[in-house]
Amino acid sequence: GAVVSQHPSRVICKSGTSVKIECRSLDFQATTMFWYRQFPKQSLMLMATSNEGSKATYEQGVEKDKFLINHASLTLSTLTVTSAHPEDSSFYICSAFIQGAYEQYFGPGTRLTVT
Amino acid sequence: SQQGEEDPQALSIQEGENATMNCSYKTSINNLQWYRQNSGRGLVHLILIRSNEREKHSGRLRVTLDTSKKSSSLLITASRAADTASYFCATDDSGGNKLVFGAGTILRVKS
Repeated sequence: GAVVSQHPSRVICKSGTSVKIECRSLDFQATTMFWYRQFPKQSLMLMATSNEGSKATYEQGVEKDKFLINHASLTLSTLTVTSAHPEDSSFYICSAFIQGAYEQYFGPGTRLTVT
Repeated sequence: SQQGEEDPQALSIQEGENATMNCSYKTSINNLQWYRQNSGRGLVHLILIRSNEREKHSGRLRVTLDTSKKSSSLLITASRAADTASYFCATDDSGGNKLVFGAGTILRVKS
């Protein structure tokens, strides 16, 4: 099946710094990738839809200036959490969508801890 | 936004028993999917059922869909300790590519 990787798997940063998370589709091209956030024992909340070559579409309530998304190629999307605060600590998961298919392929997630 | 409600929130059973999880949604859908998530990991797609289907099987999994009640159920038969995970239903957002996830059911299978 299609494989999606994320890097890093875990990151600890200090409050006020920025963190970049990469999402790569390893064996297919993904024109669309999605970024989710998941708090402990909760479900996934969609943050934004990342489209290759165009601006990301953010869900209501998600600050686009705080969560910068870049989808520069058909296999890579990045999420940068700018000026991170402890409340940004969460599990961030990306997924990739193959055109014509229904299911999404998920990365293994990135655990962000802001101290 | 979250539209799916799942019950139970948590389920604990003995190995060999069947596990049933339910999901309800609010809007019209083209399909409904079930995903599994092991603790601290990404999601794995289990099964998809289209809106014109009522039941679907895949190995030990059985999914039903009742569009009149806007609900679905996932049955795992002859459960194993390795089935311990969180299970989420997800619906397509008005037929688009976005998925809307339910709250999830935490399943624990005791050996």
